Amino acid sequence: DAGVTQSPTHLIKTRGQQVTLRCSPKSGHDTVSWYQQALGQGPQFIFQYYEEEERQRGNFPDRFSGHQFPNYSSELNVNALLLGDSALYLCASSLQGGRGTQYFGPGTRLLVL
Amino acid sequence: DQQVKQNSPSLSVQEGRISILNCDYTNSMFDYFLWYKKYPAEGPTFLISISSIKDKNEDGRFTVFLNKSAKHLSLHIVPSQPGDSAVYFCAASANRGGADGLTFGKGTHLIIQP
Repeated sequence: DAGVTQSPTHLIKTRGQQVTLRCSPKSGHDTVSWYQQALGQGPQFIFQYYEEEERQRGNFPDRFSGHQFPNYSSELNVNALLLGDSALYLCASSLQGGRGTQYFGPGTRLLVL
Repeated sequence: DQQVKQNSPSLSVQEGRISILNCDYTNSMFDYFLWYKKYPAEGPTFLISISSIKDKNEDGRFTVFLNKSAKHLSLHIVPSQPGDSAVYFCAASANRGGADGLTFGKGTHLIIQP
């Protein structure tokens, strides 16, 4: 049973560029949440997708957007990258419309130069 | 403002002894709490959770205690093993089952000494 997978594992971008990160949820899960973890900090909630719609959003600017596909996989897009966007981006999936414990993928390490 | 606080950045415990990790929260709407363990270069791994209707939940070597009046929870690991060395995150949700976005503390780095 595959767990949560994310791609790519690492990414280097320059300021002003755009980036797309991808996530496949654990088999049977239908809800995907995205988190940003800066160095030395705990993960911070960006947003959550269920039934292909953004269900809940944390305190992140509109430069952060997402999408969920019919197969429940998800993308996180970040536009106009800033140096401060350098972080580990974590995807978590859960079951039954979000009414379950969240399980995390290994993350994508983004470095913005 | 930090709604979930882990005030000990690191904790060193001898192998075989008890490890106690603490977490405080300020938001009264939180009603579901989780502990995750994280190794370097991996995502957080779910350990154990507790609903606000309980004050204790146990799973093998791991026990979580919740004191709602003090807005405090703790994770006990007995006995501590070398593989327990990792960063431990406390997380909280305002929706039973952790359905909503989780609010995390900054983590406690647990080091198990042989």
